[in-house]
Amino acid sequence: AQSVTQLGSHVSVSEGALVLLRCNYSSSVPPYLFWYVQYPNQGLQLLLKYTTGATLVKGINGFEAEFKKSETSFHLTKPSAHMSDAAEYFCAVSSGYSTLTFGKGTMLLVSP
Amino acid sequence: DAGVTQSPTHLIKTRGQQVTLRCSPISGHKSVSWYQQVLGQGPQFIFQYYEKEERGRGNFPDRFSARQFPNYSSELNVNALLLGDSALYLCASSLTDRGHTGELFFGEGSRLTVL
Repeated sequence: AQSVTQLGSHVSVSEGALVLLRCNYSSSVPPYLFWYVQYPNQGLQLLLKYTTGATLVKGINGFEAEFKKSETSFHLTKPSAHMSDAAEYFCAVSSGYSTLTFGKGTMLLVSP
Repeated sequence: DAGVTQSPTHLIKTRGQQVTLRCSPISGHKSVSWYQQVLGQGPQFIFQYYEKEERGRGNFPDRFSARQFPNYSSELNVNALLLGDSALYLCASSLTDRGHTGELFFGEGSRLTVL
């Protein structure tokens, strides 16, 4: 069985500040890990993914995440927040098949 | 190219009714998955179909059923609706059902409200 824990249902940052959204996973097999973003009343958009290879993964809109097997973590970061980054972010894990197990989500709030 | 399209986008039903949600995958994609997203929660896996065969089923009651057609489009049916079925239903398509070609592309969802 696989599971994802996202620490913090809401994270607030100021525009220009560092964004850090935390994700820890549990998996009995080597995981595929994903971050998705969801804007209000929309579907999910893939930000980035880790499958194999380089553990630091760069995604769209300046986001990146690092896979740390020893810590079972896949935290999402962005050096400088923009107002347009305000949305809900979901971490997800897969065994390699396309069935995803999602976390409960973290709402990112960006203030001017 | 068109992305994943879902219909209807919004609908309201009453308890006990039945609903059918439709999904058209990205052209060339042979796998369709359905997820339920209750307000304030992450999406939860319901079904996956690949080449018209069910490849996976999540922890949902038998009131939920789905099928995939020869053109790879899909329908999700929910019978005997309960208030708790109110949610955003997301469809996702992928080239295959696994590995790198199993990456999911999501539609914008069908928002179901049960009164």
